[in-house]
Amino acid sequence: SQTIHQWPATLVQPVGSPLSLECTVEGTSNPNLYWYRQAAGRGLQLLFYSIGIDQISSEVPQNLSASRPQDRQFILSSKKLLLSDSGFYLCAWSRGDLEQFFGPGTRLTVL
Amino acid sequence: KQEVTQIPAALSVPEGENLVLNCSFTDSAIYNLQWFRQDPGKGLTSLLLIQSSQREQTSGRLNASLDKSSGRSTLYIAASQPGDSATYLCAVNRSGGSYIPTFGRGTSLIVHP
Repeated sequence: SQTIHQWPATLVQPVGSPLSLECTVEGTSNPNLYWYRQAAGRGLQLLFYSIGIDQISSEVPQNLSASRPQDRQFILSSKKLLLSDSGFYLCAWSRGDLEQFFGPGTRLTVL
Repeated sequence: KQEVTQIPAALSVPEGENLVLNCSFTDSAIYNLQWFRQDPGKGLTSLLLIQSSQREQTSGRLNASLDKSSGRSTLYIAASQPGDSATYLCAVNRSGGSYIPTFGRGTSLIVHP
C-alpha cells in the first residue's frame, strides 16, 4: 500500500529565515506530486505540482520554490520567510486516474 | 476557468440525521470528482472518487452522486454520528490532460450527540 510522509509536523521560524519542508511517497512510482497551502479561513491553494523529475510547475508567484530530487521526494523551500508564509502546508500525490492522497501536513508559524 | 462551490458552508445537526452535502461546478468537462474529509489540524482523507462516466459511488454510510450535465455532485451521509464531524471538500479534475484539481471551500459539519 502507498503512504505519504511529511516532516516536520510543526515548525516555528523567524521572519527572514530559510525553510525546507520534505514530502516522501512510498509504495508507488512516478507519482504526480503537489504542494498546497491552507491559510486560516481560506481555501486550499495549490503552490506547485510535478508530473516527473525536472517537471515542476508553479501556480503562485511568491518567495517559495520546489524541487524533486528523487522520483518520490518533493521539497518545498524558501530562502527568506515572510509573515504571510504562515499556514498549513500539505503535500499530495496522485496516480494515473488522478485520485489524490494527502499527507498529514506541516503547520508553519512565522514570527 | 472551473469554479467549485460547496453549500452550505457550515452545518450542525443532531446525531442520527441523514445529510446531503452539495458541490457544484461551472465546467461540465470533467474527468472525475473526488470527495475528501478533513479533521482539524490534519490532512485530507479521500472518501470517494467518481469518474465522469459514473453516476454514483458508495462506501459504507456514504454515497456520492454525480450529474455532469447540471454540474452537481452530492455527498449523502446516512445515520450521521458525532465521529462524522469534520470539513468535507470536493475537488474536480478537468478532462483534457490537466493535472490540477479545483477544490471547493468545504462544508464544515458538526454532528452533536
